[in-house]
Amino acid sequence: NAGVTQTPKFHILKIGQSMTLQCTQDMNHNYMYWYRQDPGMGLKLIYYSVGAGITDKGEVPNGYNVSRSTTEDFPLRLELAAPSQTSVYFCASSPADTQYFGPGTRLTVL
Amino acid sequence: GENVEQHPSTLSVQEGDSAVIKCTYSDSASNYFPWYKQELGKRPQLIIDIRSNVGEKKDQRIAVTLNKTAKHFSLHITETQPEDSAVYFCAARWVTGGGNKLTFGTGTQLKVEL
Repeated sequence: NAGVTQTPKFHILKIGQSMTLQCTQDMNHNYMYWYRQDPGMGLKLIYYSVGAGITDKGEVPNGYNVSRSTTEDFPLRLELAAPSQTSVYFCASSPADTQYFGPGTRLTVL
Repeated sequence: GENVEQHPSTLSVQEGDSAVIKCTYSDSASNYFPWYKQELGKRPQLIIDIRSNVGEKKDQRIAVTLNKTAKHFSLHITETQPEDSAVYFCAARWVTGGGNKLTFGTGTQLKVEL
C-alpha cells in the first residue's frame, strides 16, 4: 500500500501559466481533499470530493479546479497562476473520519 | 462552517516536562476531533483523535480531553522528548454540509529543550 501519493514534489511556475497537481490513493477511500498550507499557517481546504464524479468547493477555491473521474485520482488544476498561489499543497483521503495525507507539492509562482 | 482557535502558537518545555495545547471550536454539533503532528518539511500525521461520545482518550504519553459543554479540547504530552519537537494541529469536523470536512487550527510549534 503506497497510501496517498502526489506529484510533483516541487515545481516552479511562471505567472499566468497553468498546471495540474496529481494525487492518487490506493486505499479505496471515498473522500478526498486538497489543502494548501502557507508558511507558518494551518491547512486551508480548497476542494473536496465524496466519491467519483462528485466534487465541491472548500474555503479557498478561487483559482483552482478539480475533477474526480475515478476513486483513486483527484487532480488539482491551477489556471492562470498567481504569486498568491505559492504554497505547499497537500492531498488527503479518508474512509470516514481519519484523513491521511500525501507528502505534499511545494509550488512557487514567480 | 466551523471555526477552530488554537493556543499557544509556540511552546517551549524542558525535556521530561509536560506540554498542553488547547483548542476551542464553534459548532456545537462537531463530533470528531483529531490531532496531527507535522515535522519540518513533512506531511501532517495523525497522532490521536477523539469522538464526542468520549471525554478522554490516552495513548502512551499522549492524551486528549474533550469538554463538549465549553466546546474545547486539549492535547497533553507527558515526559516530553526531543523527538516531540514539531508543529501540532488540532482540527474539528464540520457536521453541516456533508463531505466529512475538517477545519484546522493554526498550529502550535512545540520545542523540547535538552
